[in-house]
Amino acid sequence: DVKVTQSSRYLVKRTGEKVFLECVQDMDHENMFWYRQDPGLGLRLIYFSYDVKMKEKGDIPEGYSVSREKKERFSLILESASTNQTSMYLCASSFDRGTYEQYFGPGTRLTVT
Amino acid sequence: AQSVTQPDIHITVSEGASLELRCNYSYGATPYLFWYVQSPGQGLQLLLKYFSGDTLVQGIKGFEAEFKRSQSSFNLRKPSVHWSDAAEYFCAVGDFNKFYFGSGTKLNVKP
Repeated sequence: DVKVTQSSRYLVKRTGEKVFLECVQDMDHENMFWYRQDPGLGLRLIYFSYDVKMKEKGDIPEGYSVSREKKERFSLILESASTNQTSMYLCASSFDRGTYEQYFGPGTRLTVT
Repeated sequence: AQSVTQPDIHITVSEGASLELRCNYSYGATPYLFWYVQSPGQGLQLLLKYFSGDTLVQGIKGFEAEFKRSQSSFNLRKPSVHWSDAAEYFCAVGDFNKFYFGSGTKLNVKP
């Protein structure tokens, strides 16, 4: 079974803090994704990566950056957290290029106060 | 531009009743279509997918979906709902590496 894990299920941070969200997958997938999920808006893609050290912006990259130093690990960074970044963050991974199903982690619910 | 519409935000059905969740998409080519389910506090789990071929696809947990190109729809169905099906359901269109998700439909199941 594919397993995608995220470092925290719940996180509370203060405005202006630097926040790291970690995601690890164990299936040697090339592609990894970060989404945020907000009520009524579905999932919106923040960034994705199709290879180590490669990244591409998604639909809402502002205020976020990412890092992929190893194939199995994809980190989302909030350089200076703001209250409008309070959300559920979901990581996903998939096989090589092409439209393959994505496998999701359990999510991190981030609250910025 | 690609987009996915799930017109029903909330649906309530009685246990044992049939279910249909609607999904309409906008896409310029042959779509890759997916349905995911999200239980409270959990990530998304793939229910089924359509890439090509038979337009009626079977998934896990007794779900099926039918692709109708003429209506740009990919509706999810289940003949008899169980209380454990209460969750949020997301339809998605895949475009190479990017997925476009609908806003979700929350399913409540009455005993």
